[in-house]
Amino acid sequence: DTGVSQDPRHKITKRGQNVTFRCDPISEHNRLYWYRQTLGQGPEFLTYFQNEAQLEKSRLLSDRFSAERPKGSFSTLEIQRTEQGDSAMYLCASSPGERLTYEQYFGPGTRLTVT
Amino acid sequence: AQSVAQPEDQVNVAEGNPLTVKCTYSVSGNPYLFWYVQYPNRGLQFLLKYITGDNLVKGSYGFEAEFNKSQTSFHLKKPSALVSDSALYFCAVRRPSFNDYKLSFGAGTTVTVRA
Repeated sequence: DTGVSQDPRHKITKRGQNVTFRCDPISEHNRLYWYRQTLGQGPEFLTYFQNEAQLEKSRLLSDRFSAERPKGSFSTLEIQRTEQGDSAMYLCASSPGERLTYEQYFGPGTRLTVT
Repeated sequence: AQSVAQPEDQVNVAEGNPLTVKCTYSVSGNPYLFWYVQYPNRGLQFLLKYITGDNLVKGSYGFEAEFNKSQTSFHLKKPSALVSDSALYFCAVRRPSFNDYKLSFGAGTTVTVRA
């Protein structure tokens, strides 16, 4: 059982550029979550998928952010026209159906630095 | 709205001594409560959860936590700390809803166990 994987692990970009992150959840987990963690803070919820449907988005997710999970397996998070305030660790998590477990399993994260 | 408070930024204990990391929560209804641990440059690892039933729950690596509804607390404990327990600990809460799966995290508590 491989865990949640995220790619890339680190990304340095210049302000104004677009970036895309990928998350591969644990196999057969139908729920997938994105969180953002800044230094000294706990993770903050961004968005959530059940299979391919995006069911909830946080108000933190501005119009520059978009997430997809086209086939209900891996997911991508794109940030357009990056700003320095987007610098953070982006965490992906997955979980199976509710009757199986309640906890979410997290990947190692993608650390974004916007210069 | 749901929220978590971890009143201590840092906890320092000697190896072999008891370790307690405090957490209080705010949520409507009965909460689902979780503890996660984060090591440097790694994602969050699930430690334990309270969903229902016995107020004392046991988890990984010898950790346990006690749910106290009257005090809205869910403190993490370990009877005898190890140097390897030094890490960043997060408490999280979720509403017991069929359509709300997002976790709300505290700001984290850095635990340092000295040899």
